[in-house]
Amino acid sequence: EVQLLESGGGLVQPGGSLRLACAASGFAFSTYAMSWVRQAPGKGLEWVSSISGGGHFTNYSGSVKGRFTVSRDNTKNTLYLQINSLRAEDTAVYYCAKGRGGPYYLDYWGQGTLVTVSS
Amino acid sequence: DIQMTQSPSTLSASVGDRVTITCRASQSIRSWLAWYQQKPGKAPKLLIYEASNLESGVPSRFSGSGSGTEFTLTLSSLQPDDFATYYCQQYNSDWTFGQGTKVEIK
Repeated sequence: EVQLLESGGGLVQPGGSLRLACAASGFAFSTYAMSWVRQAPGKGLEWVSSISGGGHFTNYSGSVKGRFTVSRDNTKNTLYLQINSLRAEDTAVYYCAKGRGGPYYLDYWGQGTLVTVSS
Repeated sequence: DIQMTQSPSTLSASVGDRVTITCRASQSIRSWLAWYQQKPGKAPKLLIYEASNLESGVPSRFSGSGSGTEFTLTLSSLQPDDFATYYCQQYNSDWTFGQGTKVEIK
């Protein structure tokens, strides 16, 4: 059974940093691309970042490029999102999701971790 | 960037109704479109991929169609469990979601 479990969210001041993690199990982690998607309170879904299975290729949305860094440790079956220079508009539930296909869509999602940016 | 526009934003319907949600892309995305269902406080769930392929385990009352820039998600007979918000997503060039369609009880 595929499981994705996010962690690392919390309350952070504007300008601060956090590192989110997503522990994966139930599939061959290193062979699948992974993505981060966020959802601000009461709003829709917004793609944030993606990374290839081997970790060599990454993509970012324009709203986070230069501030967020996606990475993965295939020895630990874990996906990461380093988020820096946080702004109030980054407040959201952050989901990790597994990619499938080529080009890929998102077939399994974690339960999400809430990041709140406030002073 | 490719923009995705869903309509309507909200839809009021009754159990047993046939429901159709439309998604338009700002440029051709071929058939690289997925549909997701999300219930309050829960993660999105994949329903349809490549515009018309039903994900395993998803009831057959869900169907998708379209290609290029125009797509539809149809629920042939709305069930109580189907009241939720639905999102389309293009994956032809990066990933973009529509703004969502909330299906409410009439």
